Amino acid sequence: AQSVTQLGSHVSVSEGALVLLRCNYSSSVPPYLFWYVQYPNQGLQLLLKYTSAATLVKGINGFEAEFKKSETSFHLTKPSAHMSDAAEYFCAVSDNTGGFKTIFGAGTRLFVKA
Amino acid sequence: EAGVTQFPSHSVIEKGQTVTLRCDPISGHDNLYWYRRVMGKEIKFLLHFVKESKQDESGMPNNRFLAERTGGTYSTLKVQPAELEDSGVYFCASSQEWRGRTEAFFGQGTRLTVV
Repeated sequence: AQSVTQLGSHVSVSEGALVLLRCNYSSSVPPYLFWYVQYPNQGLQLLLKYTSAATLVKGINGFEAEFKKSETSFHLTKPSAHMSDAAEYFCAVSDNTGGFKTIFGAGTRLFVKA
Repeated sequence: EAGVTQFPSHSVIEKGQTVTLRCDPISGHDNLYWYRRVMGKEIKFLLHFVKESKQDESGMPNNRFLAERTGGTYSTLKVQPAELEDSGVYFCASSQEWRGRTEAFFGQGTRLTVV
């Protein structure tokens, strides 16, 4: 069965600092991986996705993630945090074994300090 | 192009009552999914429609939950009778292709509170 694990339910950074949100996956087949973001009182929005092309994936709002098969990781980074980045972030994998439903991690809430 | 739309955005009902949630997917998307997030827990899959057919309903908690998708367009999720543990945010998502590379587009969610 496929799954993702997000390390850290809460992450706090200062404005302008590096953002690093960790995600590890488990999959018996090549995975399709996603990062979604949920801003307060909004729905889930796709940040970026990995679908077996380039291992370094660039997304919206300056975020990027690198797929590392050897480490089974798909960590999300942003060089410089902005106050508007404060939100909850979800790593997810597409269930390639059937139906392609999205399997989510527990989420990481990002706090940005001024 | 309109995104995935969910109604209502919030619902507060008493235990034992019935609630119906609605989801309008993006036009042309054959795949429609329902998910739920109970407070403090992960977002969990409930079921998957392909057009009007239920493809996978393995995530449905019990027979108090009934999902339909009339004519392969909008979908409803009925909870009858509602219990306290049904409280949470219900998300709907749709996708155009039945392939993992195509991401699902999510609605705003319906926050259900059962008191």
